[in-house]
Amino acid sequence: AQSVSQHNHHVILSEAASLELGCNYSYGGTVNLFWYVQYPGQHLQLLLKYFSGDPLVKGIKGFEAEFIKSKFSFNLRKPSVQWSDTAEYFCAVNEIQGYSTLTFGKGTMLLVSP
Amino acid sequence: GAGVSQSPRYKVAKRGQDVALRCDPISGHVSLFWYQQALGQGPEFLTYFQNEAQLDKSGLPSDRFFAERPEGSVSTLKIQRTQQEDSAVYLCASSFTPGTPAGEQYFGPGTRLTVT
Repeated sequence: AQSVSQHNHHVILSEAASLELGCNYSYGGTVNLFWYVQYPGQHLQLLLKYFSGDPLVKGIKGFEAEFIKSKFSFNLRKPSVQWSDTAEYFCAVNEIQGYSTLTFGKGTMLLVSP
Repeated sequence: GAGVSQSPRYKVAKRGQDVALRCDPISGHVSLFWYQQALGQGPEFLTYFQNEAQLDKSGLPSDRFFAERPEGSVSTLKIQRTQQEDSAVYLCASSFTPGTPAGEQYFGPGTRLTVT
């Protein structure tokens, strides 16, 4: 069975600080990788995704993530966070075979202070 | 509509009551997923529909949970004889691509169920 581990449950940063949220997954086969974000009071929405090709993927709002296959990692980064990035971030995977059911990590709550 | 909608947004049930949670997916979306999100956790898969067919219900925690999508659009998740451990946010997601893992899932706002 797949599992996803997010390293930090809560992160507090000041505006303009750099962000890196860790994500590791456990699965023996080939997976697709996702980061979802949930802003306060809003739906879960897709931030970025990796299926194949360039392991460095860029998403919305200046976020990017790097897939390192040897480390089973897909860390999320942003060079300079803004107060509006305050949200909960979820890493998720699904198998390339099957119904595309997502397996999520527990989430990281990011609080950016102005 | 423009996105996935769910109703009710909040539901309080007394232990032992039955509840029904509704999901309206994006029009034309073939795939529909239900997830359960307990407090402080990520969403966990419950069940999957492709059109009206329930292809995977391996995530349903007990036989008190039942889901249907009779006409391949709106779906209902029913929980019988609710227990306190059923308290969670129930998320619905839909996707156009039929069963393709790369298909992006669009999530609804969720129904927050509290069992007292």
